Amino acid sequence: QSVLTQPPSVSGAPGQRVTISCTGSRSNIGAGYDVHWYQHLPGTAPKLLIVATVNRASGVPARFSGSKSGPSASLAITGLQAEDEADYYCQSYDTSLSVSNWVFGGGTRVTVL
Amino acid sequence: QVQLLESGGGVVQPGRSLRLSCASSGFIFGSFGMNWVRQAPGKGLEWVALIWYDGKTKYYADSVKGRFTISRDNSRNILYLQMNDLRPEDTALYYCARIYDTNTSPFDLWGQGTLVTVSS
Repeated sequence: QSVLTQPPSVSGAPGQRVTISCTGSRSNIGAGYDVHWYQHLPGTAPKLLIVATVNRASGVPARFSGSKSGPSASLAITGLQAEDEADYYCQSYDTSLSVSNWVFGGGTRVTVL
Repeated sequence: QVQLLESGGGVVQPGRSLRLSCASSGFIFGSFGMNWVRQAPGKGLEWVALIWYDGKTKYYADSVKGRFTISRDNSRNILYLQMNDLRPEDTALYYCARIYDTNTSPFDLWGQGTLVTVSS
């Protein structure tokens, strides 16, 4: 079970908007630590998508955006495209039990209908 | 070209050892922290270990602490993961990933991964 909770899957038609939630706790996102998002196509290197909750990494299209509210963060994809079909992971830093740890969400599979 | 390339994966019996390597190119390797992250079959990403730029500070996930050792050779631009006492649950695709300068920095560059299978 992952420290950060994501829905297993979301889907949408081309052109639609989908959002992926990432729920943490007081020891990670709720403590104010940055949230980063990655896009992962099986068999390839994961790609950094969103840096520090809201900033798009270099070369990432503007249809990807990030936000945060309390212990949760979200990734939105507006104008969904076929090439966006992939797994998406959130990641943050966690200091629970005084043990430094880098934590990921369980991942969300985005399906373009 | 800025890239990371893992190697050293394979099939190994439970209890045996394996050493993974991650060769870097295109950037100043000694200026960055480095991680190992793994993905078990059908599962999500799991952080395994981190080593900061000078090799002096290291962190491990509880699941590998005492069995895995992360190290680096800044003169050769290579990251290592020595894996001892391997278990079937260590079966995964192992990625190396770069981190810049703080605990909260993102993993901004990843390799393609090397597959480790622990089976009798």
